[in-house]
Amino acid sequence: SQQGEEDPQALSIQEGENATMNCSYKTSINNLQWYRQNSGRGLVHLILIRSNEREKHSGRLRVTLDTSKKSSSLLITASRAADTASYFCATEEDSSYKLIFGSGTRLLVRP
Amino acid sequence: DGGITQSPKYLFRKEGQNVTLSCEQNLNHDAMYWYRQDPGQGLRLIYYSQIVNDFQKGDIAEGYSVSREKKESFPLTVTSAQKNPTAFYLCASNQRVGEQFFGPGTRLTVL
Repeated sequence: SQQGEEDPQALSIQEGENATMNCSYKTSINNLQWYRQNSGRGLVHLILIRSNEREKHSGRLRVTLDTSKKSSSLLITASRAADTASYFCATEEDSSYKLIFGSGTRLLVRP
Repeated sequence: DGGITQSPKYLFRKEGQNVTLSCEQNLNHDAMYWYRQDPGQGLRLIYYSQIVNDFQKGDIAEGYSVSREKKESFPLTVTSAQKNPTAFYLCASNQRVGEQFFGPGTRLTVL
C-alpha cells in the first residue's frame, strides 16, 4: 500500500530558485522521512522529522510537518543542478516499524 | 568502510527460472528490508526482517522468498511464481526504527 502522495509529480526550476515538494499521508505516524534518489541508484536519507516536531532544518533543506492535516513539505533553497533527482517522502507508522513510501517528485534543476 | 552491498548490479532471468539477489551489510543493523521499484514509482515493501531467523511479509510478497540465517545477510529469491519480476530491487537496513540505509540496487530483467 502506498501511504504518501507527493505533489507535484515533476518540478522544473532554474538554478538558484527554491524548490518545494509536498507529501500527504493517511495514518498516524511515528516520524516522516525524506529521501533522495539519483537515477538508477539507491536512496539516500535526507532528513527525519518526528511526529511531535513541526519544523526541521538541515543545510539548505527545510522540512515542515502538520499532523492535523497529515502533510509535510520539503523546501530546498538556492537549488543547484546537482539537486536534480527524485525525492520521496516515507512515513513510519506508529503501529509498525515499516516505512511507507510516496510516489516521489522528480526535480529538474536547469543550469 | 561500512555500508550495504547488493549483487549483481544487473540480472537477466529466463521465464520459469528462480534467481537470487544478494544483500550484505556490515553496519551491525538488526533490521533488513527488500523493496521493489517500478519505473516512475515509489518503493513497495516485499519482505522485512527485524532479527535473525525471523522475517515478515510486506505488501507484495507473493512470488518472492527470503532467508535471514546471518545478521549481515538477507538474500531475496525471485521465484517463477512472480509473473512480472522485471523491476529495480533495493535492499535496506536500520536499527529497527528511523533512518534506513540503502544499497545501490539490482536491476532484474526477464528475457
